[in-house]
Amino acid sequence: QVQLVESGGGVVQAGRSLRLSCAASGFTFSDYSMHWVRQAPGKGLEWVTFISYNENSGLYADSVKGRFSISRDISKNTVYLQMNSLTVEDTAVYYCAKDQVKWVTRGVYAFDLWGQGTVVTVST
Amino acid sequence: QSVLTQPPSMSAAPGQKVTISCSGGTSNIGHNYVSWYQHLPGTAPKLLIYENNRRPSGIPDRFSGSKSGTSATLGITGLQTGDEADYYCATWDTSLSAGVFGGGTKLTVL
Repeated sequence: QVQLVESGGGVVQAGRSLRLSCAASGFTFSDYSMHWVRQAPGKGLEWVTFISYNENSGLYADSVKGRFSISRDISKNTVYLQMNSLTVEDTAVYYCAKDQVKWVTRGVYAFDLWGQGTVVTVST
Repeated sequence: QSVLTQPPSMSAAPGQKVTISCSGGTSNIGHNYVSWYQHLPGTAPKLLIYENNRRPSGIPDRFSGSKSGTSATLGITGLQTGDEADYYCATWDTSLSAGVFGGGTKLTVL
């Protein structure tokens, strides 16, 4: 079954850290770049970060640069989002998404597969 | 403030047609593919259009996309109540080295 399943969300105090996971199945995980996209309450979708299919590049939105880190484990078909120094502005539903095109080293073509999302709430 | 500009809301009657605009610049829409997504609350966003005007399998031809210069448009014909959702355009911004979304358009079918 082709799917992405996120986990790791929860309630965390401002300034603390949290790691999200996204388990992929049903496709050749190592061929595709992966992204994280978030939606804050009452707001629109916001692209957060990207990791290339070959792990050679990771790119970040300015809002999370220096605080968030994306990685992937090919052996586990899993992509991770390490979130440090969390602020209340990071409260959102976090989705992982697969890029549509194989072997992308930079950029977004289209997000053709999404997970159901995991909720992150940062409290003061 | 989103890099891509969409109307916040639109409405139309069942059976009618609606076009949702997405305006950007040369560093994003002008030089990269645009994709469109349908998002219902509590669900995963769904890809409707990729590479400006191509539909994934399973997406009905009531949905269409186009791009001209630094703007893109999503068209929906034969509106159904099930089309009520938020719609987002997205692309890559070469100057920012970042993915960008429009602010989203809430479509009401009444």
